[in-house]
Amino acid sequence: GESVGLHLPTLSVQEGDNSIINCAYSNSASDYFIWYKQESGKGPQFIIDIRSNMDKRQGQRVTVLLNKTVKHLSLQIAATQPGDSAVYFCAEKEASYGKLTFGQGTILTVHP
Amino acid sequence: SAVISQKPSRDICQRGTSLTIQCQVDSQVTMMFWYRQQPGQSLTLIATANQGSEATYESGFVIDKFPISRPNLTFSTLTVSNMSPEDSSIYLCSVDSPTDTQYFGPGTRLTVL
Repeated sequence: GESVGLHLPTLSVQEGDNSIINCAYSNSASDYFIWYKQESGKGPQFIIDIRSNMDKRQGQRVTVLLNKTVKHLSLQIAATQPGDSAVYFCAEKEASYGKLTFGQGTILTVHP
Repeated sequence: SAVISQKPSRDICQRGTSLTIQCQVDSQVTMMFWYRQQPGQSLTLIATANQGSEATYESGFVIDKFPISRPNLTFSTLTVSNMSPEDSSIYLCSVDSPTDTQYFGPGTRLTVL
């Protein structure tokens, strides 16, 4: 069936570096995408979203890029901090259907 | 964003027993969702719960194993029935929003012995 996957299961960076987390999706009908951060023992926390009519969206220290041609999504975190260490999930959705499909997750570790 | 609470936050249960997990939202929402997150894995949707109708289950999940109630627009329960160690997971509820974003509760960590 349709699925969302990630290229890199783990990512280690130094504090202050920029991080890039990638995600591939396969459902061409998806029109809404979300990045979540999940810290140990907690539920997923919304970070940023993007709709299919956009290529880029920026938030506070985070940027999401969407390439519909190759069905690729990325999350960029600027000046990564130790508090950014967590598992990051991408999720895709057909807005008319309501349900989310999650990628496998990337573990981000930030070293001081 | 909606504020979502779940009870219990964690539990340890014996095989063969059942556990009911509660999800409470601080505002009225149309759609609520239940997910399972097995250890070290991603989230898998169990079912969608709309108020006033039967829950819609995803492939691999059945009502007899995971009965769901949705008595009003701010509350839902998920029961994990006749549990086995393979049911040890984090169970998460989420709610939809008018902007399509889904917000998640803190999860219920279940261990079945």
